Amino acid sequence: AQKVTQAQTEISVVEKEDVTLDCVYETRDTTYYLFWYKQPPSGELVFLIRRNSFDEQNEISGRYSWNFQKSTSSFNFTITASQVVDSAVYFCALSGGGSNYKLTFGKGTLLTVNP
Amino acid sequence: NAGVTQTPKFQVLKTGQSMTLQCAQDMNHNSMYWYRQDPGMGLRLIYYSASEGTTDKGEVPNGYNVSRLNKREFSLRLESAAPSQTSVYFCASSGYHNSNQPQHFGDGTRLSIL
Repeated sequence: AQKVTQAQTEISVVEKEDVTLDCVYETRDTTYYLFWYKQPPSGELVFLIRRNSFDEQNEISGRYSWNFQKSTSSFNFTITASQVVDSAVYFCALSGGGSNYKLTFGKGTLLTVNP
Repeated sequence: NAGVTQTPKFQVLKTGQSMTLQCAQDMNHNSMYWYRQDPGMGLRLIYYSASEGTTDKGEVPNGYNVSRLNKREFSLRLESAAPSQTSVYFCASSGYHNSNQPQHFGDGTRLSIL
């Protein structure tokens, strides 16, 4: 069975602070994929990143960076110099490999960036 | 850049009424999905269609039916709405029913059942 845990239900920071959103996953698959999605207050879901289980390189995209560590089954997301526009619910998700596909979402972390 | 379009955006129903939520994508994607989002629960898969002509149950299919009308359209039907089905419903699509394909979501339908 697959499981994604986002232990932080809510985080509140002041603008320009760095913030890390934690994601821990469980799977029996040797091939799997991890995703992060952003849900701003307007409600839509925006795809941010995909990472496969064979690629543990960290990734940086502007102020966003992702740290994938198989040894701890974690795929954490860091926002550097946060901005008010970063305020949203962030979801981590996991899918298994092969034909037994199922995308499992964590319960989300509400990030509030205050001016 | 329409992407995934859901209609309606909001709906209020009475218990026992029926309703069909519509979803269409213009990205030529093969796979489509319906999720529900409830407070503190994340997103849960209701049904999916790996390709045109096929549909399969997800995690929470009870009380719902789906139709993959063609490659573009995937509808979700509530035959007899219940208050427990009050939720935000999201349709999504992906290139293939393959775990490395990111899903692209519509803006959601907020459904309230009284």
